[in-house]
Amino acid sequence: AQSVTQPDIHITVSEGASLELRCNYSYGATPYLFWYVQSPGQGLQLLLKYFSGDTLVQGIKGFEAEFKRSQSSFNLRKPSVHWSDAAEYFCAVGARAGGYNKLIFGAGTRLAVHP
Amino acid sequence: EAQVTQNPRYLITVTGKKLTVTCSQNMNHEYMSWYRQDPGLGLRQIYYSMNVEVTDKGDVPEGYKVSRKEKRNFPLILESPSPNQTSLYFCASSKPATDTQYFGPGTRLTVL
Repeated sequence: AQSVTQPDIHITVSEGASLELRCNYSYGATPYLFWYVQSPGQGLQLLLKYFSGDTLVQGIKGFEAEFKRSQSSFNLRKPSVHWSDAAEYFCAVGARAGGYNKLIFGAGTRLAVHP
Repeated sequence: EAQVTQNPRYLITVTGKKLTVTCSQNMNHEYMSWYRQDPGLGLRQIYYSMNVEVTDKGDVPEGYKVSRKEKRNFPLILESPSPNQTSLYFCASSKPATDTQYFGPGTRLTVL
C-alpha cells in the first residue's frame, strides 16, 4: 500500500540556518511527489513537485527537493530559513485509483523559526 | 483569479443537525475531492469525483455524502454529524492529466 512518512513531527531552526525536512514514501510505481506548505489558518499551497526528469526540483520561496529513488526519499531543503517560513509542511505522493489522481499525505512536520 | 472556494470557513453545530459545506472551483477541473485534516494524521481523502455525476469513496467516507451535479461544485454533506467529525476540511480540484491539486482555504467544523 502507498504511504508517506515524515519522521520529524516538530523542527525548530534559527533564522538564517539551513533546513532539511525528511520525507520517505512507499509506492510501487514511479511516484509523483509533492511538498505542500500550510501557514497558520491557511489552506495548502504547492511548494514544488516531481513528476519525472531532473531529480533536483526547484520550487517557490527558495525551496528545493531531491528525489532519491534508491532511498525512496524526497527531502525538502532551504539554504537559509526566514521567519515567515514557520508553518506546517506536508509531503505527498500521487497515486492513481481508478484513473483518479489521489494524494496520499504524510502526517506533516511543523517548523518553528527562532529569531 | 483561479481558485477553490469553500463555505462556510468556520462552523459550530450540534450532534445530529444536518449540514452542508460548499465547494466551488473556477478552473474547469474535472476532478474534485474532499479531505479532512486531523493532528498527527495529515490529510485523508473522504470522497472524490471524476466528473459530473461520477463520485466514489475515498479512505474515510463513513458519515459523509457528496454530490456532483455541476462541474464547478462539489458539496460535502453531513446528514447526522457526530463529535468525531470535528475536523478541518479541505476541498481540492485538479485536471485529469496532472496530479497537482489546488486546495480551498479549509472549513473548520466543530460538532458539539
